[in-house]
Order: sequence, then structure tokens, then C-alpha cells
Amino acid sequence: GQQLNQSPQSMFIQEGEDVSMNCTSSSIFNTWLWYKQDPGEGPVLLIALYKAGELTSNGRLTAQFGITRKDSFLNISASIPSDVGIYFCAGQGSNYKLTFGKGTLLTVNP
Amino acid sequence: KAGVTQTPRYLIKTRGQQVTLSCSPISGHRSVSWYQQTPGQGLQFLFEYFSETQRNKGNFPGRFSGRQFSNSRSEMNVSTLELGDSALYLCASSLEGNTIYFGEGSWLTVV
Repeated sequence: GQQLNQSPQSMFIQEGEDVSMNCTSSSIFNTWLWYKQDPGEGPVLLIALYKAGELTSNGRLTAQFGITRKDSFLNISASIPSDVGIYFCAGQGSNYKLTFGKGTLLTVNP
Repeated sequence: KAGVTQTPRYLIKTRGQQVTLSCSPISGHRSVSWYQQTPGQGLQFLFEYFSETQRNKGNFPGRFSGRQFSNSRSEMNVSTLELGDSALYLCASSLEGNTIYFGEGSWLTVV
């Protein structure tokens, strides 16, 4: 089956720092999605990417759909304490099935 | 616009029992998918329904089943519960199956 490698597994940063995380796949995807999950809640969609090379921003968040269609990254600029949570990437192929990465646990030290 | 609604939010069941979880998608969304989330395995796809038909299925045993009604609401059922079925069960909806939006989940504990 399709495999998604998400890295890093965890990050501990100081407030104000920039953050970068990425996902790579053994397969080509048509869509890349990035989610954030807070404890006890469902994942919340942050950014959706539909085209190879697409670069999309949502406030302090920026994500890109890799040219090879096998990777994507998410950047968070000027982190704040409420950025704490688990960030998931998800890739979707032509069959609409989503494959999720294992997540990146982000901790922001005030 | 109301989001994806899942009920119940929390439940405790005994081994061997069965459980039914309910999901109401965002209005107008025709695709509903279900995921199991555990600390060890992460988010794993269970199945997806589109217009009352199962369109995709993950690698779970037959004890896990689901259905979708004509109003797009969906239920999933787990029979003969095992301790390992304890997890957060997430429902997600989308218009056609592309960009999906999650509910808050149903926490199932099997004792």
C-alpha cells in the first residue's frame, strides 16, 4: 500500500521561530492536505493543495505541492503558543482514498 | 454552516459487545469516510461512502461495517468488540470525496 513519511516526528521550538515539516510518498498523489489536531479534537483542515508546484498560504502557514507529486511541505512562520498540536499531512490518489502521515508533534515554548 | 457532527462523543463498551457510531456530514456533502485513530497506528482509513454506496474500503476485518443513508448521514458498526478496538473514531465529509472535513470524533473505550 501507499506509504507516507512525515518528518520530523516532533519539534520543540521557541515562540517566534519558524517551523518546517514535510511529507514524502512512494506514490504520486493528486491532492495534498495538511491538518492540525488539538488534544481530544478532530483534525482541522489547514491547507489543501490540488496542483503540482502549487504554493498556498493561510495566514502564517504556507504549504507547497511538490513538482514530482510525491512530496509536500508545510511552513509556519513566527510561531505562537497556540500553534501547539499535531500536524498531519495527507495524500489523496485518484481513488479518493486518503493516506495520512504519522504526524509531527509541535511544542512551542513561550 | 454546521460542521461534521458525530455521536456519541464518548462511550465505554465491554469486550464482545457491539457498537454503532453516527455521523452527520456537512450539509450538501455526499461523501462520508471513517477513520480509526490510535497512538500506535495513527490515522487509518476504514471506509468511504458516496451516495449510499461504499466506494472505498480499508484493511479492517469484517467486524467493522458501515452504511450511508439517503440524507448522507452515516453509521459505522463494530461487532464483537476487542480491547484493541479502543480508539478515536473520526468521521469526515466532503462534496465529492476530495477535500475532507473531520468531525470531533467518538472516543470508544473497550474494557
